[in-house]
Amino acid sequence: GESVGLHLPTLSVQEGDNSIINCAYSNSASDYFIWYKQESGKGPQFIIDIRSNMDKRQGQRVTVLLNKTVKHLSLQIAATQPGDSAVYFCAETSMEYGNKLVFGAGTILRVKS
Amino acid sequence: ETGVTQTPRHLVMGMTNKKSLKCEQHLGHNAMYWYKQSAKKPLELMFVYNFKEQTENNSVPSRFSPECPNSSHLFLHLHTLQPEDSALYLCASSQPGTPKNTIYFGEGSWLTVV
Repeated sequence: GESVGLHLPTLSVQEGDNSIINCAYSNSASDYFIWYKQESGKGPQFIIDIRSNMDKRQGQRVTVLLNKTVKHLSLQIAATQPGDSAVYFCAETSMEYGNKLVFGAGTILRVKS
Repeated sequence: ETGVTQTPRHLVMGMTNKKSLKCEQHLGHNAMYWYKQSAKKPLELMFVYNFKEQTENNSVPSRFSPECPNSSHLFLHLHTLQPEDSALYLCASSQPGTPKNTIYFGEGSWLTVV
């Protein structure tokens, strides 16, 4: 199927390993962050979110870490599976952005079987 | 099933054609968006509608004309497009006024301008 982001950074991991996808956000006033997953030929799908008053949040097999000091966000995927192969986007929002989401460029995750 | 449905999924049009993209959301949201996604750029916000009123036009050329007849439907009318307009056009919705402005995307419409 079609895909976007052909020039994005790529992370290749072995099936079963843990994946860490990083994102540097731009606005120190951002107070809400989301990770989206976009599979080939599909729209972005919400994975997990975190507010700025937290530094860690866990979901099913995914964990988001927020380091406000260095404006860094990461998504950890445990026991990566072939179905995790996709483009992953972080997004930030703040009052300064009118509460609109601002998206990062994305990272391609390739899972090797 | 994301709750946001876009049609058509694929569209090929000539530069002199007029076509429209359609979006419908079943989430009860009151904000709808058009985004453009191309290979060399991050997601680009095009238009925002809140309660059927356009609240943002992100310097989009007039050859793209949005229409929001009600909170559940959003159209993007296309006229005299250029080949560089070829991209994935994503519709999204959210519920404004909530603490977390999570937006939900449709599957997108792949547009090729020839």
